[in-house]
Amino acid sequence: EAGVAQSPRYKIIEKRQSVAFWCNPISGHATLYWYQQILGQGPKLLIQFQNNGVVDDSQLPKDRFSAERLKGVDSTLKIQPAKLEDSAVYLCASSLGPSVLPYEQYFGPGTRLTVT
Amino acid sequence: AQSVTQLDSHVSVSEGTPVLLRCNYSSSYSPSLFWYVQHPNKGLQLLLKYTSAATLVKGINGFEAEFKKSETSFHLTKPSAHMSDAAEYFCVVSDRNTDKLIFGTGTRLQVFP
Repeated sequence: EAGVAQSPRYKIIEKRQSVAFWCNPISGHATLYWYQQILGQGPKLLIQFQNNGVVDDSQLPKDRFSAERLKGVDSTLKIQPAKLEDSAVYLCASSLGPSVLPYEQYFGPGTRLTVT
Repeated sequence: AQSVTQLDSHVSVSEGTPVLLRCNYSSSYSPSLFWYVQHPNKGLQLLLKYTSAATLVKGINGFEAEFKKSETSFHLTKPSAHMSDAAEYFCVVSDRNTDKLIFGTGTRLQVFP
């Protein structure tokens, strides 16, 4: 089965510019997650979707970050305007859903963002 | 609130010697616990998971972990390290109701020939 797909793999932008990342989850996975992984740290959840509804966006900096999951399948994460501290790897993951065995999230390869 | 603490930021071993990566957890109820591995420029891969079944959990590539409730620990072990095991390892606790994963800060494993 195909894994979680993300694009682009790398992106370099200047501060105050905007950027968008795309994620296509594993087919049939109802839940989609976006994580931010700053160098030297563990991933931190930004937003969680259940189908096309938001379950948890408590850690999303809503003044500059936005995310959508139209039609409950693929998703985009946008940053506008970017700051230097947004430099990180942005990981997308998907799962069958809350409390559904095997309680596992499957991760994509990530997008490495560098803000200069 | 749930959390995990990885007790070592770096671990170095020689090839063929045992590996021990330490993790303590904090949870108000019986947790689901995971170990993920991240190779350079690769996505996170699940090594193994504990979900209240057997306390000794076997994973891929010869890794295993033991859930010890009395010690609130979930240490990752492997009898004999291989060069390909060099990577970043994350101990993770999950909220069963939301699937939210809380990651530790990671342990970088170096394997010397």
